[in-house]
Amino acid sequence: KQEVTQIPAALSVPEGENLVLNCSFTDSAIYNLQWFRQDPGKGLTSLLLIQSSQREQTSGRLNASLDKSSGRSTLYIAASQPGDSATYLCAVRRGDRGSTLGRLYFGRGTQLTVWP
Amino acid sequence: NAGVMQNPRHLVRRRGQEARLRCSPMKGHSHVYWYRQLPEEGLKFMVYLQKENIIDESGMPKERFSAEFPKEGPSILRIQQVVRGDSAAYFCASSSGREFGELFFGEGSRLTVL
Repeated sequence: KQEVTQIPAALSVPEGENLVLNCSFTDSAIYNLQWFRQDPGKGLTSLLLIQSSQREQTSGRLNASLDKSSGRSTLYIAASQPGDSATYLCAVRRGDRGSTLGRLYFGRGTQLTVWP
Repeated sequence: NAGVMQNPRHLVRRRGQEARLRCSPMKGHSHVYWYRQLPEEGLKFMVYLQKENIIDESGMPKERFSAEFPKEGPSILRIQQVVRGDSAAYFCASSSGREFGELFFGEGSRLTVL
């Protein structure tokens, strides 16, 4: 069974800092890994999608890396801003091609607060 | 191109009543997924549907819960005889189903059972 863990559970930093959020998963047979952002009372916004054959993806100040063999991904946020405050969720999709291909396994998230 | 639309955004029900949650996928998407987020817990997969077919319902409770995605109209998640433990945020996601298909989530429906 796939288990996804995110560390730390919460993080509070001053504006301008560079951050690293960690995600680990127990079953390395994944199809892809997706990072999401969730604001309070809102839905999930997809940030980055990394295919199992890729090592990293970048979008603006965000960079996500994937080490499938060790079951780890990191989300790097450069020059953090108060608007980055949200919960960041990591989710992996199973690697088989069967009916469970659509299922994502989520971590519990890292709650980030960036203060001015 | 409108995103994934869910309604109602908030729903209050008394114990024993029925709750119906609706989800319209993004235009061009034929794959719908339902997830539940309980307070202080992560999102848990419930069911995966394509038009008129349930592909994977292994995450859905065996009793009181059902889901459908008809040929016409939105996907419906139905909870019969609700109990307090059903209080949660229910999220719908859709994808095109193509390989490497990214999932796009709606804003969620927040069910409160009194």
